[in-house]
Amino acid sequence: DAKTTQPNSMESNEEEPVHLPCNHSTISGTDYIHWYRQLPSQGPEYVIHGLTSNVNNRMASLAIAEDRKSSTLILHRATLRDAAVYYCIAGGNNRKLIWGLGTSLAVNP
Amino acid sequence: GAGVSQSPSNKVTEKGKDVELRCDPISGHTALYWYRQSLGQGLEFLIYFQGNSAPDKSGLPSDRFSAERTGGSVSTLTIQRTQQEDSAVYLCASSLGGWGYEQYFGPGTRLTVT
Repeated sequence: DAKTTQPNSMESNEEEPVHLPCNHSTISGTDYIHWYRQLPSQGPEYVIHGLTSNVNNRMASLAIAEDRKSSTLILHRATLRDAAVYYCIAGGNNRKLIWGLGTSLAVNP
Repeated sequence: GAGVSQSPSNKVTEKGKDVELRCDPISGHTALYWYRQSLGQGLEFLIYFQGNSAPDKSGLPSDRFSAERTGGSVSTLTIQRTQQEDSAVYLCASSLGGWGYEQYFGPGTRLTVT
């Protein structure tokens, strides 16, 4: 199971972009990179996932390094509602997802 | 549409008692997952059901923990002879397919063992 490494915490200002890094140097060729976030006192919610190419959706963008050993979740304009713990997970494709401690993102007004 | 629901939302029980936690997945989702989350920690995988396949029980911490999924829908997680270290939030998720699919989480059941 691929292990991921994320900073414990990050801080951003409202309406500024946020880049959340993730290292997954032991990722296998078939592992997807998944991002979820968890708001206080709620279950996690899906943000985005990808395999090799960069991905965009209404919530965020996912930039995946060419060697796939790292990725970056990009929130284009942070809002107060984006304050949450962000989890980067490598797995899927019949391999279970192993959740780490994530990055706690604080957004300043 | 309706999301994943879990009941009860909170459960306080005495050490040694048995508890049952319920999960109603999204209709049509073939995969169902149970996790637990201790305070300030990430999610710990417990068990995974996918369609009619045998469940993946590799995350269950002891034989006091068991789960079943009836009719490919509702699931019950049972903890026998609860211990204080079982106190955590128990989260259920469902997805359209297996591990590669987006998981939709319920709000969780907060279990406190006194």
